[in-house]
Amino acid sequence: DAMVIQNPRYQVTQFGKPVTLSCSQTLNHNVMYWYQQKSSQAPKLLFHYYDKDFNNEADTPDNFQSRRPNTSFCFLDIRSPGLGDTAMYLCATSGYQGDGYTFGSGTRLTVV
Amino acid sequence: QKEVEQDPGPLSVPEGAIVSLNCTYSNSAFQYFMWYRQYSRKGPELLMYTYSSGNKEDGRFTAQVDKSSKYISLFIRDSQPSDSATYLCAIQTNTGRRALTFGSGTRLQVQP
Repeated sequence: DAMVIQNPRYQVTQFGKPVTLSCSQTLNHNVMYWYQQKSSQAPKLLFHYYDKDFNNEADTPDNFQSRRPNTSFCFLDIRSPGLGDTAMYLCATSGYQGDGYTFGSGTRLTVV
Repeated sequence: QKEVEQDPGPLSVPEGAIVSLNCTYSNSAFQYFMWYRQYSRKGPELLMYTYSSGNKEDGRFTAQVDKSSKYISLFIRDSQPSDSATYLCAIQTNTGRRALTFGSGTRLQVQP
């Protein structure tokens, strides 16, 4: 089945220790998104790619970076995680028109 | 004012009840309307997608959109304990950035 796969499912990292979350997709979608969802809150868009064209949200902290080496893979790098970065990180993909929007199962990140 | 408002609940109903979940939005540029179900510690799963005013039915689920009032609803008939989850409305424009704008989610508990 075509899908969006996130790894790892759970990640615990120390305050200030860099961490990388990964997302892969078999849908061949051109657009990939990263959302942050804190407990009992709405998912919040961090950034997205139209193919290799990177689009950052104005309020995404500089601490958060992303890479998309090819169509299938996208990475979220958090350079110096703070306690406030504890959240579920959701990867999603879609076609150019925002069609076929599909989410991965998420990575639950805990910063200690 | 948030772009999408959703009552966070929790909403507790007995098994078999009809459930009504609602969102309001402020931006008339929003043209596509979705309902996602999210189980604890999982990614959102698309339930319903619609782009026009009126009703759309899929099994026990009915999505209703009233663009003139900027109001969307999800009805669940014959609710089951397995419907216990958080329900997120999500809205999308039809031009420019196609990322989703989410409500904060309503937590539903169906009691057996």
